Amino acid sequence: QQPVQSPQAVILREGEDAVINCSSSKALYSVHWYRQKHGEAPVFLMILLKGGEQKGHEKISASFNEKKQQSSLYLTASQLSYSGTYFCGTEDDYKLSFGAGTTVTVRA
Amino acid sequence: DGGITQSPKYLFRKEGQNVTLSCEQNLNHDAMYWYRQDPGQGLRLIYYSQIVNDFQKGDIAEGYSVSREKKESFPLTVTSAQKNPTAFYLCASSGPNSYEQYFGPGTRLTVT
Repeated sequence: QQPVQSPQAVILREGEDAVINCSSSKALYSVHWYRQKHGEAPVFLMILLKGGEQKGHEKISASFNEKKQQSSLYLTASQLSYSGTYFCGTEDDYKLSFGAGTTVTVRA
Repeated sequence: DGGITQSPKYLFRKEGQNVTLSCEQNLNHDAMYWYRQDPGQGLRLIYYSQIVNDFQKGDIAEGYSVSREKKESFPLTVTSAQKNPTAFYLCASSGPNSYEQYFGPGTRLTVT
């Protein structure tokens, strides 16, 4: 079953922060985050494993709360290069189920 | 350079024709995946393969077929039974000790 992402879209000015949420109705063992630029392939950002650890990629960090079955991606001091669609993926029998995506637009 | 190649980038076909999309990887990955992407619907899994000569249906396998005769190759055939084949198709692979998926550049298929 697909995880649910929110919001669907967000528009930011350079330097602003944003949070993208990913929640699942099933128990989570790990959450993956990918970013896709328009017309390109998705690129892996990070994976969070069970244990509530937080990871970072540039000024993008994420948290994982397995009790709440959700993960959040934090875009801090956003840059123009952060624009794209962000997908979370949850593991299910050796494959990933992806959310519908959150489109982030960062404006100068 | 290691990576995943998909060809062609754009493909046009008439309704009723089968078409095969190519996916090749030189990353020595065991697992390979095919996804379909439609606007606003994220990535939906069509088929996946954990090892050569074995593959499993994903969430939307109807109207598609695959083969995995070689580790490096995982071609996808879109058959005439697929009702809405026009979409962006992405192939991915992952290694044995990593859940990170590496994606190819995709093939945009248009069926008219």
